[in-house]
Amino acid sequence: QVTLKESGPGILQPSQTLSLTCTFSGFSLSTYGMGVGWIRQPSGKGLEWLANIWWDDDKYYNPSLKNRLTISKDTSNNQAFLKITNVDTADTATYYCARIWELVDYWGQGVMVTVSS
Amino acid sequence: DIQMTQSPSSMSASLGDRVTITCQASQDIGNNLIWFQQKPGKSPRPMIYYATNLANGVPSRFSGSRSGSDYSLTISSLESEDMADYHCLQYKQYPLTFGSGTKLEIK
Repeated sequence: QVTLKESGPGILQPSQTLSLTCTFSGFSLSTYGMGVGWIRQPSGKGLEWLANIWWDDDKYYNPSLKNRLTISKDTSNNQAFLKITNVDTADTATYYCARIWELVDYWGQGVMVTVSS
Repeated sequence: DIQMTQSPSSMSASLGDRVTITCQASQDIGNNLIWFQQKPGKSPRPMIYYATNLANGVPSRFSGSRSGSDYSLTISSLESEDMADYHCLQYKQYPLTFGSGTKLEIK
């Protein structure tokens, strides 16, 4: 059974760094062709693809967030991570991680992150 | 970037109606498109992949089609459980881009 679960700080202040963890089970990020992506959704708005990482450590970042994103993985512990630096109120959203295995098939439940002073 | 223009942004339909939602791609994406259903407070669920293929466990009243750069999700006979937001995602080219979403309500 494939499951993913996101965790994060809940609330943070502008200019801080947001650190998110995706803990998954039922698959391995060392499997050929496997990937994990991060997607966010501000309340009441649409979805935005942020970044993804592949089994071979190849990475993709959405250019709209310029150099603020860093994605990484810990294959041994079945985790993927996303860091967003210098957050502001526009980064307030629900953040999802999702498995990529030919398609984006399994998603976590999402974690709400609020940026507020 | 590939823009996915989704329409309508919201719609209301009656039980049993045939419903169609469309995403228009600004560039060629082949059939590299997924339709997601998202119910309130839940994460997106893939419904259609590769534009026309039904995902596992999805009822057969859902279907996907393509006409040129227009990709459509059709519900042949609307049921109450279909009330949700629907999103398209193109995965032909980075950055991956979603449509703006369609809120489907039941009359």
